Amino acid sequence: SQKIEQNSEALNIQEGKTATLTCNYTNYSPAYLQWYRQDPGRGPVFLLLIRENEKEKRKERLKVTFDTTLKQSLFHITASQPADSATYLCALDTGGYNKLIFGAGTRLAVHP
Amino acid sequence: EAQVTQNPRYLITVTGKKLTVTCSQNMNHEYMSWYRQDPGLGLRQIYYSMNVEVTDKGDVPEGYKVSRKEKRNFPLILESPSPNQTSLYFCASSLSDSNYGYTFGSGTRLTVV
Repeated sequence: SQKIEQNSEALNIQEGKTATLTCNYTNYSPAYLQWYRQDPGRGPVFLLLIRENEKEKRKERLKVTFDTTLKQSLFHITASQPADSATYLCALDTGGYNKLIFGAGTRLAVHP
Repeated sequence: EAQVTQNPRYLITVTGKKLTVTCSQNMNHEYMSWYRQDPGLGLRQIYYSMNVEVTDKGDVPEGYKVSRKEKRNFPLILESPSPNQTSLYFCASSLSDSNYGYTFGSGTRLTVV
């Protein structure tokens, strides 16, 4: 069955540094992958979508890469700020009916 | 403001008492979906709907029902809630085109005692 792995341990970094979060998947070949931000007790908020034929996508301080050979996506936040502290979820397209499956998320804590 | 509205925000109920969680979106989205989120398990899809009167099961549909009589509304029905349905529930919608991400509601925290 398809499986999505995100680091279950929290990522702690200093303000101003680049945060890098990892999403690995197995047994699937998604046409696209999405990243979301979720704050405690709130609904996820869509950040970026990257397609299988795109190696990299950027939006302001965010950058996503997608390596279909390694079956991995990396999510980068440059010049991180305490306000970036949240849980970040990756989600894979399952190829039918616009259905996504989500990873459990990685919590990011940016310290001043 | 474009949004997905869920109600109620919090709900405590007893085992076996039927309940409905409402979901409404004002973006004319064709696709709507329900997820539950449990610690360590991430978001798991319960049911989804491609359009009016078109619904299908997700990964964890047991114990839930849905209906899609109007494009904007997609209620989640628990006919006989049980304690293992205690969870945080999210409704989401998107355009049918997969170029777009999902818009999520604020969530409904359900406790079944």
